[in-house]
Amino acid sequence: GEDVEQSLFLSVREGDSSVINCTYTDSSSTYLYWYKQEPGAGLQLLTYIFSNMDMKQDQRLTVLLNKKDKHLSLRIADTQTGDSAIYFCAPKGGSYIPTFGRGTSLIVHP
Amino acid sequence: DTGVSQDPRHKITKRGQNVTFRCDPISEHNRLYWYRQTLGQGPEFLTYFQNEAQLEKSRLLSDRFSAERPKGSFSTLEIQRTEQGDSAMYLCASSSRDRPTSGNTIYFGEGSWLTVV
Repeated sequence: GEDVEQSLFLSVREGDSSVINCTYTDSSSTYLYWYKQEPGAGLQLLTYIFSNMDMKQDQRLTVLLNKKDKHLSLRIADTQTGDSAIYFCAPKGGSYIPTFGRGTSLIVHP
Repeated sequence: DTGVSQDPRHKITKRGQNVTFRCDPISEHNRLYWYRQTLGQGPEFLTYFQNEAQLEKSRLLSDRFSAERPKGSFSTLEIQRTEQGDSAMYLCASSSRDRPTSGNTIYFGEGSWLTVV
């Protein structure tokens, strides 16, 4: 099955850019999603990218996809304290089932 | 859209009791997913429906777990003879297969927390 790997923690200073990386194994992934989860809450969809794209920009968010290396990243520009949360990448392949790793805890400090 | 709705949000039950969670997907979404999330882990897929058909159930954790979506709208997830290891958040999500240009985006509910004592 699909494996998804992310670094567990990322600490950044307020106002800096954050880059959260993700690697996955299923080369048939068609859509790749990024979700944000705040403590005790469900998952909020942030953005997604089609597998035939290599970049997508959505306001402060930039998603880069390297399909050859099966590597996905999420860049958050001008990171704010409200961005502190756990971020999950979730590729979805031919099974129509998104797969999640353990997520990256983003800590934003003043 | 009112979003994916889950009920109850929190449930405390004694070991051995049965519990049932309900999920109301976004209206007209024909795909519905159940996930489980334990502390410090990502969501773990359990089962998935397209309309009323349960297309994948091999990853339900044991035969104590069952899910239904009788009319292709809301769904229930039942856990029989609960164990302490079942304590987790149970997440429901929905999507429409008919919107590929929007990524068939999958929206999650706020989850149902289960504590087994």
